[in-house]
Amino acid sequence: DGGITQSPKYLFRKEGQNVTLSCEQNLNHDAMYWYRQDPGQGLRLIYYSQIVNDFQKGDIAEGYSVSREKKESFPLTVTSAQKNPTAFYLCASSIMAYNSNQPQHFGDGTRLSIL
Amino acid sequence: AQTVTQSQPEMSVQEAETVTLSCTYDTSESDYYLFWYKQPPSRQMILVIRQEAYKQQNATENRFSVNFQKAAKSFSLKISDSQLGDAAMYFCAYRSAPGTYKYIFGTGTRLKVLA
Repeated sequence: DGGITQSPKYLFRKEGQNVTLSCEQNLNHDAMYWYRQDPGQGLRLIYYSQIVNDFQKGDIAEGYSVSREKKESFPLTVTSAQKNPTAFYLCASSIMAYNSNQPQHFGDGTRLSIL
Repeated sequence: AQTVTQSQPEMSVQEAETVTLSCTYDTSESDYYLFWYKQPPSRQMILVIRQEAYKQQNATENRFSVNFQKAAKSFSLKISDSQLGDAAMYFCAYRSAPGTYKYIFGTGTRLKVLA
């Protein structure tokens, strides 16, 4: 079955530490996205990528970094510069086709907490 | 820039009754797509229904239907014969048809279903 796999499901970060969240998809989608979800704030876009080796900042990119070396993979690094990283992180992907009504597909998420 | 507004942070409905969740959006574009996603306690994002802006007919998926009012920029979700399994966060989302593949989400409405 095709889908999006996020790992780990739970992650703990120590002060001053960088951590990386994994996102892999086998849907052959060109576009991939990272969202942060906090209570009462819905989904906020961190970064997105429409093609390998290219990505764009979303609304809350500060303190985060990404890479897109392979079409299937879009890892997110939460750096020590992100002072309030505790949140639920969702990875998504979508096809890129002009005038396509195809929705985003989501992974099951990673819960990041501060130790 | 486009925005999506869900003005009801929380709604309740009696089992077997009908409930309507509201969503308004702001855009200067004429061609776009609208989506409703459901996020149950498992946190998995599930597509409920989608609507193309160029279609005048309202989308329907079993017990779920939308009231799409393009001129008013309104996209409400009606859930008929509510079931306990409908209890979840519901998010409205917007995507431009051409060009960017960036999705914009509302802040969500928590739906409680009372037995």
